[in-house]
Amino acid sequence: DADVTQTPRNRITKTGKRIMLECSQTKGHDRMYWYRQDPGLGLRLIYYSFDVKDINKGEISDGYSVSRQAQAKFSLSLESAIPNQTALYFCATSGPGTSGRYEQFFGPGTRLTVL
Amino acid sequence: QQQVKQSPQSLIVQKGGISIINCAYENTAFDYFPWYQQFPGKGPALLIAIRPDVSEKKEGRFTISFNKSAKQFSLHIMDSQPGDSATYFCAASMHFNKFYFGSGTKLNVKP
Repeated sequence: DADVTQTPRNRITKTGKRIMLECSQTKGHDRMYWYRQDPGLGLRLIYYSFDVKDINKGEISDGYSVSRQAQAKFSLSLESAIPNQTALYFCATSGPGTSGRYEQFFGPGTRLTVL
Repeated sequence: QQQVKQSPQSLIVQKGGISIINCAYENTAFDYFPWYQQFPGKGPALLIAIRPDVSEKKEGRFTISFNKSAKQFSLHIMDSQPGDSATYFCAASMHFNKFYFGSGTKLNVKP
């Protein structure tokens, strides 16, 4: 089973709609992140959380909000979706890996299209 | 302002050749520099990482070269294989908190 899961995997929505992207993890990590990926721009940080009571804005938080429901769950919401929020969204956790290296573990991504 | 600048945007290499991807950073407080590999339809996965107290880190065919004075680091893939075709991201972090990613390099290794 995947350590970091995201739902839905694909979503098409219309301008002005509210949508929520969900992320769950079984890594046991306290730290979780939401990124968006756009061609030529790499991965940009939207929000991050170091524990359930700690939520921080990233580089591009405008138009987004998050909720950390539990250590294992971190949701991203678009209150009123707009076309330039069309992107690939990744959830990630961070912590020590099996090799002892510190790393980020990414989910499979959610492809969001806003018409 | 992008914290980590990556080049080239795309790279085509023949099988068996050396692939080189470069990154530069400005913030001297960064203390961890990972490289991530991403295949289509998948999330990025850690490939190799380096701390600034060493100038080179090698794992199999993958090597990071780190130049602290120039604030640059690069990924070298020796004996490149078609299976290495993917998008590669460099990144930088302070104390494993926030991670700043480069814009990505799409590598295509021709058979």
